[in-house]
Amino acid sequence: DAGITQSPRHKVTETGTPVTLRCHQTENHRYMYWYRQDPGHGLRLIHYSYGVKDTDKGEVSDGYSVSRSKTEDFLLTLESATSSQTSVYFCAISESQDSDTQYFGPGTRLTVL
Amino acid sequence: ILNVEQSPQSLHVQEGDSTNFTCSFPSSNFYALHWYRWETAKSPEALFVMTLNGDEKKKGRISATLNTKEGYSYLYIKGSQPEDSATYLCAFDSYGQNFVFGPGTRLSVLP
Repeated sequence: DAGITQSPRHKVTETGTPVTLRCHQTENHRYMYWYRQDPGHGLRLIHYSYGVKDTDKGEVSDGYSVSRSKTEDFLLTLESATSSQTSVYFCAISESQDSDTQYFGPGTRLTVL
Repeated sequence: ILNVEQSPQSLHVQEGDSTNFTCSFPSSNFYALHWYRWETAKSPEALFVMTLNGDEKKKGRISATLNTKEGYSYLYIKGSQPEDSATYLCAFDSYGQNFVFGPGTRLSVLP
């Protein structure tokens, strides 16, 4: 299994509070991704990173920000959580962008009350 | 936003049945098509990466075919077993773009 961990694995928070999710990898892969998984939608890309301090938006980036200060860590922040951000969040990594398999972390279940 | 579709949305089969499902994707700007297997409460695991029109891949009882000209891929499971129960995702990979995942096909194999 690719060395990817996510923390926390579960979190319950209240509307309006900030939340940060962490993805940590030990594979030294260049690309890292944050997805959310919702029923009927499969996996939707929130943000991705193609190197330290290099990030870009995905399909559903509104309300989220990311940071990558080290190769191994990719943080996802909800500045002010809303109930619509209740979801399961998956981090993924890949060596390159094109034609390269993405490996997924175990997921974080976030509930915003 | 590119549209990647999968059908059926879900299906139930008996143990021992063979089954197949479809991933449809844009036929232009194709680079690769990825299949993932996703068990409940786990993370998606890569099954196949398919890059060439006419590609066929096989892993045990699971196989996949690819038609890039018409924009579809089939995943086949021969002699389904309860441990095959999972959601099967496809992801469309185009040049210089990120993956676009389909919504998945949820397979339940009844003993």
